[in-house]
Amino acid sequence: DSGVTQTPKHLITATGQRVTLRCSPRSGDLSVYWYQQSLDQGLQFLIQYYNGEERAKGNILERFSAQQFPDLHSELNLSSLELGDSALYFCASSSPPGELFFGEGSRLTVL
Amino acid sequence: GQNIDQPTEMTATEGAIVQINCTYQTSGFNGLFWYQQHAGEAPTFLSYNVLDGLEEKGRFSSFLSRSKGYSYLLLKELQMKDSASYLCAVRGNTDKLIFGTGTRLQVFP
Repeated sequence: DSGVTQTPKHLITATGQRVTLRCSPRSGDLSVYWYQQSLDQGLQFLIQYYNGEERAKGNILERFSAQQFPDLHSELNLSSLELGDSALYFCASSSPPGELFFGEGSRLTVL
Repeated sequence: GQNIDQPTEMTATEGAIVQINCTYQTSGFNGLFWYQQHAGEAPTFLSYNVLDGLEEKGRFSSFLSRSKGYSYLLLKELQMKDSASYLCAVRGNTDKLIFGTGTRLQVFP
């Protein structure tokens, strides 16, 4: 158990819809990262927050947005969903410069 | 930008030794990480190198050469449970970790 909690574990929705993925970091970690992993693909960095502020941005689509709240949990919002958005979405937390600890992921299926 | 290369697939026999290579080009360097990921599961941390040389941790060792932009992960006494993807990741000038596409290792009896 990494100590990072993600909900929901599985989500099935239709094209055009909007979903929100939630992440609670390990106790004491201020940094939260979001990654996307499509089938048989590598981990694609989406965005990082540190203590509520956006720290780094990757190839995150404009249809996607995220935020980190004062209690340090984070949410990733995906809107106008397309079939290609089907993937595993991982959240990770860390206390830089240490390693990242990953949650179990949220598997999104867009039909 | 950042570029990380590692072989797509490797096979090995139970009990053997396997070396998984990783080359990288990054803007700045603040550490190289290796993760293990079983299919459909979360990546788990294996090792961290920030200085040149070899880091040993049980059956797993990781080597780094910053001047060559090169690292390898060495797995000894392979077990069937070692069949997984091994991800090389680099931290550049920022805190974010950029991952390679991973090396899928299959261990055969």
